Amino acid sequence: SQQGEEDPQALSIQEGENATMNCSYKTSINNLQWYRQNSGRGLVHLILIRSNEREKHSGRLRVTLDTSKKSSSLLITASRAADTASYFCATDPGTYKYIFGTGTRLKVLA
Amino acid sequence: SQTIHQWPATLVQPVGSPLSLECTVEGTSNPNLYWYRQAAGRGLQLLFYSVGIGQISSEVPQNLSASRPQDRQFILSSKKLLLSDSGFYLCAWRQGVGSPLHFGNGTRLTVT
Repeated sequence: SQQGEEDPQALSIQEGENATMNCSYKTSINNLQWYRQNSGRGLVHLILIRSNEREKHSGRLRVTLDTSKKSSSLLITASRAADTASYFCATDPGTYKYIFGTGTRLKVLA
Repeated sequence: SQTIHQWPATLVQPVGSPLSLECTVEGTSNPNLYWYRQAAGRGLQLLFYSVGIGQISSEVPQNLSASRPQDRQFILSSKKLLLSDSGFYLCAWRQGVGSPLHFGNGTRLTVT
């Protein structure tokens, strides 16, 4: 099945820095979602951006969506050690199935 | 509020043994239900989804099966486990098309 791709695969930053991760996808979408997964746990939904939106904010999270380029980015500002996790994008093509990317592993160093 | 329960958290089973993983959702009705598998350090592979009682759609053939005996109960089964069935299994639900997924805490299955 088609998969989105996150870039980079892994990212290591210092606490207080910003973290940016990107997602590219292949099909047309109704919305795109970002999830966080702490090690050994289930995924937690962070933010959803609809196809007619270009930018969305939630606390320290900022998501952008460029449907012409079929790409999205997730920015975490002023990162904390607790932000250490894997981050996944998921695209909703308007069916019952979401397509998940392979994830970005973020490590925030204290 | 809605909650999702998935158990067991970890499971070690010998090759050829049966499997039953259970997932229940509380606080909602007629959810869409999903089983995913995640290999170590990888993305999520959709195994099954269900949009109603008794309705199962399979994305992956092989020796796994799923059932939805009640509105908010989703079960993943196998009659005979293979080594390749090892992985992290995640149950999830959503309210409908366009809604975010809510995941359980997962089951770490090791087939020996």
